[in-house]
Amino acid sequence: GDSVTQMEGPVTLSEEAFLTINCTYTATGYPSLFWYVQYPGEGLQLLLKATKADDKGSNKGFEATYRKETTSFHLEKGSVQVSDSAVYFCALRGAGSYQLTFGKGTKLSVIP
Amino acid sequence: DVKVTQSSRYLVKRTGEKVFLECVQDMDHENMFWYRQDPGLGLRLIYFSYDVKMKEKGDIPEGYSVSREKKERFSLILESASTNQTSMYLCASSYGRGAFFGQGTRLTVV
Repeated sequence: GDSVTQMEGPVTLSEEAFLTINCTYTATGYPSLFWYVQYPGEGLQLLLKATKADDKGSNKGFEATYRKETTSFHLEKGSVQVSDSAVYFCALRGAGSYQLTFGKGTKLSVIP
Repeated sequence: DVKVTQSSRYLVKRTGEKVFLECVQDMDHENMFWYRQDPGLGLRLIYFSYDVKMKEKGDIPEGYSVSREKKERFSLILESASTNQTSMYLCASSYGRGAFFGQGTRLTVV
């Protein structure tokens, strides 16, 4: 079945540091890929998405590129802020499927 | 903006009680989902529905049931609450490639 593996946290960075959260997936066909963010005490919000190979999703300074050859969708941001502290989830939706499959989440803490 | 509203942010229930968690979406989405979120386990799908009165089991349906009598409302039912159902419950709706989540209900079973 489909699965998503993302780097375990927690990750602690200083403000303005570079962020990478690794995400790899296993799926048949061509899934759609997503990053969701969960701020403390809230539900999940869609951060960015990519629906085909080599697509780059971007939002709020975050980027991720759909790499079919390495089955990866790593999240990056060039300069993190304290307000980026949250839990980040990588997810996929298999081709022809209704369901989202999530990774276990990576908690990011950004310190001033 | 799409709005997915869960009826309660926090609930405390006793073991053995029947518990209803309600979720309403305002964007006429076909698909609705219930997940539970636990530390170290991420999000796990309990049930989903792709149309009114239609439902499919997810990865962990045991101890739960669902109801979808109207397109905008998807209810999760704990038939007889147990302490191992203490968790954060998240409802979502989707139109296809993206999903929108409610704010979550933190349920404690004592």
